[in-house]
Amino acid sequence: GQQVMQIPQYQHVQEGEDFTTYCNSSTTLSNIQWYKQRPGGHPVFLIQLVKSGEVKKQKRLTFQFGEAKKNSSLHITATQTTDVGTYFCAGPSTGNQFYFGTGTSLTVIP
Amino acid sequence: EPEVTQTPSHQVTQMGQEVILRCVPISNHLYFYWYRQILGQKVEFLVSFYNNEISEKSEIFDDQFSVERPDGSNFTLKIRSTKLEDSAMYFCASSEWNRFSYEQYFGPGTRLTVT
Repeated sequence: GQQVMQIPQYQHVQEGEDFTTYCNSSTTLSNIQWYKQRPGGHPVFLIQLVKSGEVKKQKRLTFQFGEAKKNSSLHITATQTTDVGTYFCAGPSTGNQFYFGTGTSLTVIP
Repeated sequence: EPEVTQTPSHQVTQMGQEVILRCVPISNHLYFYWYRQILGQKVEFLVSFYNNEISEKSEIFDDQFSVERPDGSNFTLKIRSTKLEDSAMYFCASSEWNRFSYEQYFGPGTRLTVT
């Protein structure tokens, strides 16, 4: 079946450092969504990318969708303690299911 | 801001028992979903529901699972005979339109513990 892998699995950064998580799908995605899950919380939608090569920014967060629509990245500039959580990419499969990535857990050290 | 609600927040049950998890999606949303998340792992899709019927389901959603919209507001997930491996957080979600091409709003989850 379809697999959506993310690297790294865990990332510890000092506050103010940058952070990037990479998402790779085994199949082409029609769109990719990013969610953030705080510890003990539920996934919260961040953004959706649809077009090949698309780049979107939300303040310190930059999201990119690969040209082949099989990979994506999330980059956070100058991390803050409020950025702590697990970041998941997710997208629909050709088999009409919705797959979440394996997630990257971000710890920000003050 | 509208939100998805779920009850109970925590359910403890014995193996073999039936459980019903309840969700109230956002009122003007048309698509409803159930996901599960085993502790420390990724979120896994179970089922999507539209127009009073199942739209898609995963391999996890076998005959032990069923979903229902018993009235105009509730959306339920039933597990007929729980197993130890059903222990997980179950999230309900809803979206305004267009299945997986639209933002999904997640509820706070129900933690199911099967003993």
